[in-house]
Amino acid sequence: GENVEQHPSTLSVQEGDSAVIKCTYSDSASNYFPWYKQELGKRPQLIIDIRSNVGEKKDQRIAVTLNKTAKHFSLHITETQPEDSAVYFCAPRTRPGTASKLTFGTGTRLQVTL
Amino acid sequence: DAGVIQSPRHEVTEMGQEVTLRCKPISGHNSLFWYRQTMMRGLELLIYFNNNVPIDDSGMPEDRFSAKMPNASFSTLKIQPSEPRDSAVYFCASSSLGQYNEQFFGPGTRLTVL
Repeated sequence: GENVEQHPSTLSVQEGDSAVIKCTYSDSASNYFPWYKQELGKRPQLIIDIRSNVGEKKDQRIAVTLNKTAKHFSLHITETQPEDSAVYFCAPRTRPGTASKLTFGTGTRLQVTL
Repeated sequence: DAGVIQSPRHEVTEMGQEVTLRCKPISGHNSLFWYRQTMMRGLELLIYFNNNVPIDDSGMPEDRFSAKMPNASFSTLKIQPSEPRDSAVYFCASSSLGQYNEQFFGPGTRLTVL
C-alpha cells in the first residue's frame, strides 16, 4: 500500500512567521494531493489541494507545491496566526480512477505562539 | 445542507457489547468512507463504498467489524463484540465520485469501551 510520511511531526512558530510541512509518498501513480486541517476536537477539513499536472497552487496565506519526480509535496503557511494552530494531514490519493481513496499521513501539529 | 450526520456523538459501552455507529452522507454524494482515529495509529481508512457497494475493506481490523450501506443515504459500522482497544473516534466522510473531489467529514463518534 501507499507509504506516506510527514515531517516534522510537531512545529512551533511565532505569530507572523512562516511554516512549512513536507509530505513524502511512495505511489508514483498518485495524482491528487490534498491537505486537511483538524482543529482540536473537530473533524478534518480540506484546506487546499493540487493535481499532478500542476506544480504550485496558492490560496491567500496557504500554498501547496508538488515535486512529482521526488514524490513529495509541501504545505506552506505564511503570516501565521493563532487560529492556524491545528494538526495538518497530507492525504495523497492512490488507485487513480473512479475510486477516491486517500491515505492520510501521520499528521503535523502546528503551534502558533504569540 | 446539513453536512455528513453521524450518531451517536458519544458512546460508552462495556467490553463484549455490540456497538452500532450510524452515518448519513451528504445528499447526492456517491462515495462513503469510514475512518478510525487514535493517537497511536492516526487516521485510518476502514472501508469505503461507491454507489452503496463496498470497494475496499482491507482496513477493517478483524471480523468483529462489519459495515453496511443499504441505500444511498445511510450506512452503519458495527462492532461485535467490542473490546477496549476499539476505543477511538470514528469518522464517516462522503464525496462525489471522481478523481479530485473533496471528502467531507462528519463530526465523528467518540467510542469508549470499558
